[in-house]
Parts: sequence; structure tokens; C-alpha cells
Amino acid sequence: EVQLVESGGGLVKPGGSLRLSCAASGFTFSSYSMNWVRQAPGKGLEWVSSISSSSSYIYYADSVKGRFTISRDNAKNSLYLQMNSLRAEDTAVYYCARPYYYDSSGYAFDIWGQGTMVTVSS
Amino acid sequence: QSVLTQPPSASGTPGQRVTISCSGSSSNIGSNTVNWYQQLPGTAPKLLIYSNNQRPSGVPDRFSGSKSGTSASLAISGLQSEDEADYYCAAWDDSLKGVFGGGTKLTVL
Repeated sequence: EVQLVESGGGLVKPGGSLRLSCAASGFTFSSYSMNWVRQAPGKGLEWVSSISSSSSYIYYADSVKGRFTISRDNAKNSLYLQMNSLRAEDTAVYYCARPYYYDSSGYAFDIWGQGTMVTVSS
Repeated sequence: QSVLTQPPSASGTPGQRVTISCSGSSSNIGSNTVNWYQQLPGTAPKLLIYSNNQRPSGVPDRFSGSKSGTSASLAISGLQSEDEADYYCAAWDDSLKGVFGGGTKLTVL
């Protein structure tokens, strides 16, 4: 079964750090780019970051650039998100998502994890 | 403020056809394909439509998508109670960043 399982969420004070993990199984992880998407309580979805299969290409939303770092370990079938200088507005459920490549120009997210909650509060 | 613009709510009665709009710009919808996601309460999003108008296996043909210029639409025909959910449009920007709409809460009356 294709599966993504996030972990590492929790309560952290403003200015603090947290590292999220996403464990992949049931597919060849090293062949896929991967993404993080977040959803603040009662709000919509927000794309956070993407990383190519070999880590050569990395992109961030402007809202997290310079504070968050995406990485992966293909040997461990794992995706990570290091979050530093956390702010109250970073409070959200964080999902990792696998792409479905439908052509050379784009992809959609066909596999999502269950999400892990990050709460930034003093 | 989301990059793509959706109406916050939509509604219909069982059996009706409803449409949800999604407006973007030349740098996202205007030059890239659109995907749609359905999110039931308390669950992760589910891919509903990809590449403007393609349905993944298992998605009923009651769901259809279209795109014209810098706008896209999701149509749901033969509305059913289980269609009550939040719907999000999404696209890639020319800067290779993902963008989502703010979401539309669909209520089946």
C-alpha cells in the first residue's frame, strides 16, 4: 500500500524550531519529487515547499523562505522539513504529498499523508 | 489572501448541478494546468481533477473540470449528500511554486 506518514509536530514557542518527518512506503521514493502543504486551522491549503527526487531543485513559498529547509534521505525513504524562527502564523496541519505526473509540464498531488499538527504559541 | 480566487461557499439540492469557479493570472492558470481537490471534514485532501479536466481512477464522472484563459471551473452534476465538502483549485506558477485557491465550502441542502 502506498503510504505517507508524517510525524514531529507539536507545541513550540514563537522563535523556536521543529523538524517534521514524512516516512514513505509502497513506492519508489527516490523516483519522486516531494512536497509539503499546510493548512491553518479553519483555513485553506497553502503550498510550502518542494524538493526534486535527487534534491537538486528546491523551492519555497515566500512565507517560509529563509526560515524553513526541506530535505530528503532516499536511503531512508524519508522527507523532512526543518522549521526555524517559528511564528504564530505557522500554526497549521502539515501534510507531505506525493506527485502524480500527468505530463511534462505539471503534476498533481495524488497521495497525501494524514498530517501532523504544529502549534506555535507562548 | 490566496493567489487563486474561489467563492467561499456554494450550495445546491440533491440532483442539481453546481459549479465552482477559480480565477488566477497569466503566470499560473494562464500558462499551466489546473488541479482540483476535495477535502472532507477532518481528512486529508483528495485529488479530484488533474490537468484541467482529467479524472483519476475512481472519481465519478459527475465531476468535471474546465479551463479558459486565466480561469477554471469545477462542475458537479447529480449532486449527492456525500459531495458536501471543501473544494480547492490549484496550479503551478511560472516560478515553479504551487498556488491554491482559498477553498469553496459546498453545502448540499
